[in-house]
Amino acid sequence: QQQVKQSPQSLIVQKGGISIINCAYENTAFDYFPWYQQFPGKGPALLIAIRPDVSEKKEGRFTISFNKSAKQFSLHIMDSQPGDSATYFCAASIQNAGNNRKLIWGLGTSLAVNP
Amino acid sequence: GAVVSQHPSWVICKSGTSVKIECRSLDFQATTMFWYRQFPKQSLMLMATSNEGSKATYEQGVEKDKFLINHASLTLSTLTVTSAHPEDSSFYICSARTLGAQGQPQHFGDGTRLSIL
Repeated sequence: QQQVKQSPQSLIVQKGGISIINCAYENTAFDYFPWYQQFPGKGPALLIAIRPDVSEKKEGRFTISFNKSAKQFSLHIMDSQPGDSATYFCAASIQNAGNNRKLIWGLGTSLAVNP
Repeated sequence: GAVVSQHPSWVICKSGTSVKIECRSLDFQATTMFWYRQFPKQSLMLMATSNEGSKATYEQGVEKDKFLINHASLTLSTLTVTSAHPEDSSFYICSARTLGAQGQPQHFGDGTRLSIL
């Protein structure tokens, strides 16, 4: 119930194409869904995030689509560029028993954008 | 804004020594800091959550006597790996967030690569 399932594990896209990464969850107590981008040897950087009362959020070339009834959300990267090549993690936030918030992470998607 | 600085970025030391990693929030007050461990090509594994002025809450399976966490101020948390052994070699990452609504994201440092010989 605490899992966040992310797919695909790896993705290759041509420059200018659309990259799509999907995540699914079971626990309806999750209330905040961020996406992080991580380059090798670096910490994750917040890319974009959404709350479950919103069905879509767009920031530049990055869009989150959120389907509350299906418990699924996805990241779309429009006009993908070689500089977007990185590992992408979806996550879901939940308040635990100790009144702390924690993130439950997907396993990551390694994106390669070919020039 | 929301910059988290982690130091050192890389440390190599002999087995049996203790290593301290610092995590600082540079431009905001971090009421909560998190410590993660990440193995190559894997996801982040939460080790512990620390609130300023309180004892850290460790995830199941994480040895609290092995990984000492201190969060003495709103801008600094430290992780000390005591009596480190080769199996402790990993990429350790901290993150920080402020107290607030559920929309407050975690902001991450750039990690510390720990290699124990």
